[in-house]
Amino acid sequence: DSGVTQTPKHLITATGQRVTLRCSPRSGDLSVYWYQQSLDQGLQFLIQYYNGEERAKGNILERFSAQQFPDLHSELNLSSLELGDSALYFCASSESSYNEQFFGPGTRLTVL
Amino acid sequence: GEDVEQSLFLSVREGDSSVINCTYTDSSSTYLYWYKQEPGAGLQLLTYIFSNMDMKQDQRLTVLLNKKDKHLSLRIADTQTGDSAIYFCAERADSWGKLQFGAGTQVVVTP
Repeated sequence: DSGVTQTPKHLITATGQRVTLRCSPRSGDLSVYWYQQSLDQGLQFLIQYYNGEERAKGNILERFSAQQFPDLHSELNLSSLELGDSALYFCASSESSYNEQFFGPGTRLTVL
Repeated sequence: GEDVEQSLFLSVREGDSSVINCTYTDSSSTYLYWYKQEPGAGLQLLTYIFSNMDMKQDQRLTVLLNKKDKHLSLRIADTQTGDSAIYFCAERADSWGKLQFGAGTQVVVTP
């Protein structure tokens, strides 16, 4: 157990819908990262927050957004969902940008 | 652009050593990581190495880094069936900690 929690574990929804994925980092970690894992793209970095502020953006679609709240948990919002958004979404946390990242168990999103 | 490459599959007999190889392109990478992913699970950090090191040993795991060739390897001694998983190599791709992952190497351990 890495200490990073993600909910829900599984999510099944329809095209065009909007979902919210939630992540609670390890106690004491200020940095949160979101990654997408799909069969065709592999593991791709989406976005990073540090202590509530966005720090880095990767291959994140405009339909996707995220935020980190004062209690340091983070949410990833995916809207206007398409079939191709079906993937495993991982959250990772680290003490700072310079420390190793610990991953949560992931949320498996299926868009039908 | 950045690219991390790994062989896709490795079959090894129980008790033998496994060696998983990885090449990376960003010579400014400061940290390189190995993660393990078992079926249906998240990524477990196995070990990492700082770029000024050549080798790091941690129990059954040995990491070798050749900076000149941008080559990283993970050796697992006395491989067990519980080591069957996908192993990802990753490089720290920017100052904010973004990780660039390889495609993963599926390791299958046979009795």
